[in-house]
Amino acid sequence: GDSVTQMEGPVTLSEEAFLTINCTYTATGYPSLFWYVQYPGEGLQLLLKATKADDKGSNKGFEATYRKETTSFHLEKGSVQVSDSAVYFCALGGSQGNLIFGKGTKLSVKP
Amino acid sequence: EAQVTQNPRYLITVTGKKLTVTCSQNMNHEYMSWYRQDPGLGLRQIYYSMNVEVTDKGDVPEGYKVSRKEKRNFPLILESPSPNQTSLYFCASASRSGSDEQYFGPGTRLTVT
Repeated sequence: GDSVTQMEGPVTLSEEAFLTINCTYTATGYPSLFWYVQYPGEGLQLLLKATKADDKGSNKGFEATYRKETTSFHLEKGSVQVSDSAVYFCALGGSQGNLIFGKGTKLSVKP
Repeated sequence: EAQVTQNPRYLITVTGKKLTVTCSQNMNHEYMSWYRQDPGLGLRQIYYSMNVEVTDKGDVPEGYKVSRKEKRNFPLILESPSPNQTSLYFCASASRSGSDEQYFGPGTRLTVT
């Protein structure tokens, strides 16, 4: 069945460091892929998405590219800020008409 | 403003006392869903609804009920809450399909003692 695997955290970085959070998936067909972010005390909000192979989603300096050949959708940011501290979830649009989420990666950015 | 609202945001209750968590969306979305979030387990789907009067079980439906009498509302009902239902609950909606972008509510933190 459909599944998402993302790197476990927590991840702690210094401000202005480069961020990568790995995400790989297993799915039939070509699902849409998403990154959601959850700031402390809030609900999830969409960060970026890609709907087909080689698409690059981007928002707020974050990027992720839909790689069909490696079934991956890694999240990257060139220079993180303290305000990026949050939990990040990778997700795919499942074949059953639902979203399949990874378990989340907690990012802490220190000044 | 397009949003999903949940009430209450925080609730402490006792075992066996029936409760309802309300969820409402103002985007005319067809799809709505409930999730619970627990440490180390991520998000797990409880129930979902493809449209009015159409509901179905998610991954962890035991102990919960839902109804979808109106398009905008999707309440979550715990008929006899137990401590293992202590969790953070999220309601979400999507325009047509749950495999599209979902919009999440702010969450309801439930504690059952």
